[in-house]
Amino acid sequence: EAQVTQNPRYLITVTGKKLTVTCSQNMNHEYMSWYRQDPGLGLRQIYYSMNVEVTDKGDVPEGYKVSRKEKRNFPLILESPSPNQTSLYFCASRGTGRSEQYFGPGTRLTVT
Amino acid sequence: RKEVEQDPGPFNVPEGATVAFNCTYSNSASQSFFWYRQDCRKEPKLLMSVYSSGNEDGRFTAQLNRASQYISLLIRDSKLSDSATYLCVVDRAGNKLTFGTGTQLKVEL
Repeated sequence: EAQVTQNPRYLITVTGKKLTVTCSQNMNHEYMSWYRQDPGLGLRQIYYSMNVEVTDKGDVPEGYKVSRKEKRNFPLILESPSPNQTSLYFCASRGTGRSEQYFGPGTRLTVT
Repeated sequence: RKEVEQDPGPFNVPEGATVAFNCTYSNSASQSFFWYRQDCRKEPKLLMSVYSSGNEDGRFTAQLNRASQYISLLIRDSKLSDSATYLCVVDRAGNKLTFGTGTQLKVEL
């Protein structure tokens, strides 16, 4: 089954404790992205990657890091999480020349 | 001004009604346009792409007006299962998708 998976689905952590949210897709897609979704602000792109070892900032990259060492994986790293990073996070992938972007199930992060 | 603007709703309509959502975008260089559907606390899923000539998929019709920078979605004979948030999405270039904040639809008996 074609899918994008994210882990963990739910995470409660404390300010400053480094965390990683994993993302994996099994569709051999070139493009992968991370978004955060907040009430009234909609989905905002954090980082995206056009292929292995190629990443670029989206609209709200501050406080986040990503890496793309393998085509299928695109982890999101929060080196020092802060309460304003409490949000619902989605990973997504898309094939070259394709219109549909597939989203993972989301990770609900709470930073206290 | 937001890059993509939508009326947040909610739109409360009776089953069987026809409902229309509108969306405006600010970047005239935008290349591709989509409507996504998002159920509560779930991931967004592609509903349909929007083409300049307009396109229809069953009860759903999408229109694009490049001159006015305006996209619409029409749902005919609405069902209870259509209740969701509808996201207008604009592709500025490559993988730079910009999402509207969504319009909430509630279809009632």
